[in-house]
Amino acid sequence: EAQVTQNPRYLITVTGKKLTVTCSQNMNHEYMSWYRQDPGLGLRQIYYSMNVEVTDKGDVPEGYKVSRKEKRNFPLILESPSPNQTSLYFCASSLWAPTSNQPQHFGDGTRLSIL
Amino acid sequence: AQTVTQSQPEMSVQEAETVTLSCTYDTSESDYYLFWYKQPPSRQMILVIRQEAYKQQNATENRFSVNFQKAAKSFSLKISDSQLGDAAMYFCAFYRGATNKLIFGTGTLLAVQP
Repeated sequence: EAQVTQNPRYLITVTGKKLTVTCSQNMNHEYMSWYRQDPGLGLRQIYYSMNVEVTDKGDVPEGYKVSRKEKRNFPLILESPSPNQTSLYFCASSLWAPTSNQPQHFGDGTRLSIL
Repeated sequence: AQTVTQSQPEMSVQEAETVTLSCTYDTSESDYYLFWYKQPPSRQMILVIRQEAYKQQNATENRFSVNFQKAAKSFSLKISDSQLGDAAMYFCAFYRGATNKLIFGTGTLLAVQP
């Protein structure tokens, strides 16, 4: 089954404790992206990766890191989480950038709470 | 900077009726792409419809259609014969290839009354 898998689905942690949210896709997609969703703000792009060689910042990259060592995985890293990073996070992938006829596939979301 | 505005935080429609969700965007570019995504209570993000800015013809997908007014920078979504399963948050999104960024509006929560 074609899917984007995020883990964990839910996480409650404390300020300053490094955490990683994993994202894996099994569709051989080139383009992957991370978003955060906050009430009243919609989804905002954190980072995106055009392919394993190209990764760039989205609109809200501060406090986050990503890596794209292999095509299928695109982990989101919070080196020193803070309460303002409490949010719902989505990973998404598509064969190419969203301009193509291939739709973006979204993961089921990760609910992070930073105390 | 590109922005996407959804001015209707909430909408309500009777089952089998038609509803239109509005979206406006701001850009100085001529080549871009627009999308409507649906997010049901399950939180999944589902692509409803997409429109290329260079195409004058409005996109249609079954009961969903758009009214794309390029000069007015407007991209509204029309849902015909509304069904209970259409109840969801709907997001308008804008993509410009030069920036490779997908920008979302703040969403419209649609309720469908039986």
